[in-house]
Amino acid sequence: QVQLVESGGGLVKPGGSLRLSCAASGFTFSDYYMSWIRQAPGKGLEWVSYISSSGSTIYYADSVKGRFTISRDNAKNSLYLQMNSLRAEDTAVYYCARDGATREFDIWGQGTMVTVSS
Amino acid sequence: SYVLTQPPSVSVAPGKTARITCGGNNIGSKSVHWYQQKPGQAPVLVIYYDSDRPSGIPERFSGSNSGNTATLTISRVEAGDEADYYCQVWDSSSDHPVVFGGGTKLTVL
Repeated sequence: QVQLVESGGGLVKPGGSLRLSCAASGFTFSDYYMSWIRQAPGKGLEWVSYISSSGSTIYYADSVKGRFTISRDNAKNSLYLQMNSLRAEDTAVYYCARDGATREFDIWGQGTMVTVSS
Repeated sequence: SYVLTQPPSVSVAPGKTARITCGGNNIGSKSVHWYQQKPGQAPVLVIYYDSDRPSGIPERFSGSNSGNTATLTISRVEAGDEADYYCQVWDSSSDHPVVFGGGTKLTVL
């Protein structure tokens, strides 16, 4: 079935780095734009980054620009988020999501928790 | 950047109709999508392209969008509908194209 599975979350100290992965299955990954979306504890949804199907177009939220890098490997059906210079305010559940035909997020992963704390 | 405004909470009795609004400048010119999120779970798309329902979403869920307000309507509300609901648009004029509303907590009395 159509599925997204995130991994790579964990506890990291401020200033540290972490790389999240999202494995896609059940659909032609290379046909779809993808995004990372996060949710801080008790807070709402915050879009983080977007990448086009080929990887040629990328956008970032101001809150992560210059620190986070989104990428994808269509041969491996995988999406990535390299997170550097992490701050306490980056603590959140990170979801990968598939971008549908009318720019809706039609498939979501289960999320991976990132905790930034000393 | 584009801003979407939702009421923090809406309460409704079982069997009644709940309406959750999403306000934005000329939002009627954009496609609005709605997500349901229950505690500890990932969001689920319940309405896309203003008023279309993904397969598996009950007909009780409907959407509309005009002027400066989009509305998610849940008819014959059930206890299982209690959740947070988020609206979202794609702002093609921006380098930050994905915008979420702040979310609305639906409480079933």
